Amino acid sequence: SAVISQKPSRDICQRGTSLTIQCQVDSQVTMMFWYRQQPGQSLTLIATANQGSEATYESGFVIDKFPISRPNLTFSTLTVSNMSPEDSSIYLCSVGGSANYGYTFGSGTRLTVV
Amino acid sequence: QQQVKQSPQSLIVQKGGISIINCAYENTAFDYFPWYQQFPGKGPALLIAIRPDVSEKKEGRFTISFNKSAKQFSLHIMDSQPGDSATYFCAAVGGTSYGKLTFGQGTILTVHP
Repeated sequence: SAVISQKPSRDICQRGTSLTIQCQVDSQVTMMFWYRQQPGQSLTLIATANQGSEATYESGFVIDKFPISRPNLTFSTLTVSNMSPEDSSIYLCSVGGSANYGYTFGSGTRLTVV
Repeated sequence: QQQVKQSPQSLIVQKGGISIINCAYENTAFDYFPWYQQFPGKGPALLIAIRPDVSEKKEGRFTISFNKSAKQFSLHIMDSQPGDSATYFCAAVGGTSYGKLTFGQGTILTVHP
């Protein structure tokens, strides 16, 4: 399965600022996904990052708040914009969707907004 | 339609016992059902997965039982160990949700020594 490096691993940010999270994969992958895990909760899909096209967002998530870049088949970024304390969560990138459905997750970015 | 319901929310088991976590789904287009194990501060790690064409899959101490007609699947952890203490998530994917995992609510497993 793919190995995913995600950074930063954690950050504490002031409200109103933005944070960009990076996700690097050790092999080329077609599909990359961004998830949010709120404290003590399950994982919720934010968007699918498509190489060469705009990301596809799930209901409740918008591009202005969570802009995503996917410049190549091994890298993606998620920005959390104009942050508020409600954005305090763990953000995870994932790859998968191959014939083997080998969905792998990064170790996550623990974001605290104060 | 896209939900996956997981129970129990938390589970306490003695060392050597059997841990059982259950999930139910509605979307009959789902065709892949993975289980993830998550330790604090870590991302979810794939534990074991099953497709609906088999009723059971076993890997070491971990077994998935799958009941297609009931749209239910469960994770059994045999000879549970304190190191198994973690949060477990079931998930499902397939059909129009291709590539997108739908997760259950999670089960916090505590194995007492």
